[in-house]
Amino acid sequence: GAVVSQHPSWVICKSGTSVKIECRSLDFQATTMFWYRQFPKQSLMLMATSNEGSKATYEQGVEKDKFLINHASLTLSTLTVTSAHPEDSSFYICSARRRDRDSSEQYFGPGTRLTVT
Amino acid sequence: GQNIDQPTEMTATEGAIVQINCTYQTSGFNGLFWYQQHAGEAPTFLSYNVLDGLEEKGRFSSFLSRSKGYSYLLLKELQMKDSASYLCAPMDSNYQLIWGAGTKLIIKP
Repeated sequence: GAVVSQHPSWVICKSGTSVKIECRSLDFQATTMFWYRQFPKQSLMLMATSNEGSKATYEQGVEKDKFLINHASLTLSTLTVTSAHPEDSSFYICSARRRDRDSSEQYFGPGTRLTVT
Repeated sequence: GQNIDQPTEMTATEGAIVQINCTYQTSGFNGLFWYQQHAGEAPTFLSYNVLDGLEEKGRFSSFLSRSKGYSYLLLKELQMKDSASYLCAPMDSNYQLIWGAGTKLIIKP
């Protein structure tokens, strides 16, 4: 159990367009979902934390108007990269924390590779 | 501030044992995770330590000393598929994972 999926797994878009990435917990309800970004050979960088039904909490330096996060249900969170630019090209990874267990473990999705041309 | 210190890269031989050390400084502490990350893939969970001592899970073991801000991951009977980055991630008082750059482990035949 504890499977997290992401869609799409990779996407190429043109500069100035918007891209939506979905993160789903398939077999559990998630109290909290996290969005990370990872550039090549660098550590994961937390972008934002979202709880179902409330506004996401963004990390310092992350533009909330550019990276729109919607946590519509206990199994779905979406990240929309608006007006994408080449520097937004990165590996975006979501993770989720279970609702039904007293555990702090985060279950990671497989990631979405975004390339902006 | 919050800080993670791990070796950047290590090399070991197939069938051998390797220990990856991690020292950390965090604002509060709620346990420490080890994750494995193959190139181009998301991290996968290996272990979680919240109390001092050694946790063994098959070929992998993880040790924690909270007073020293120190943990290690021990990998036995190394296989080629163990070539990956290993990420030490302590959890701070806000239950946020603090990530370092990880240790790239190269396994040679």
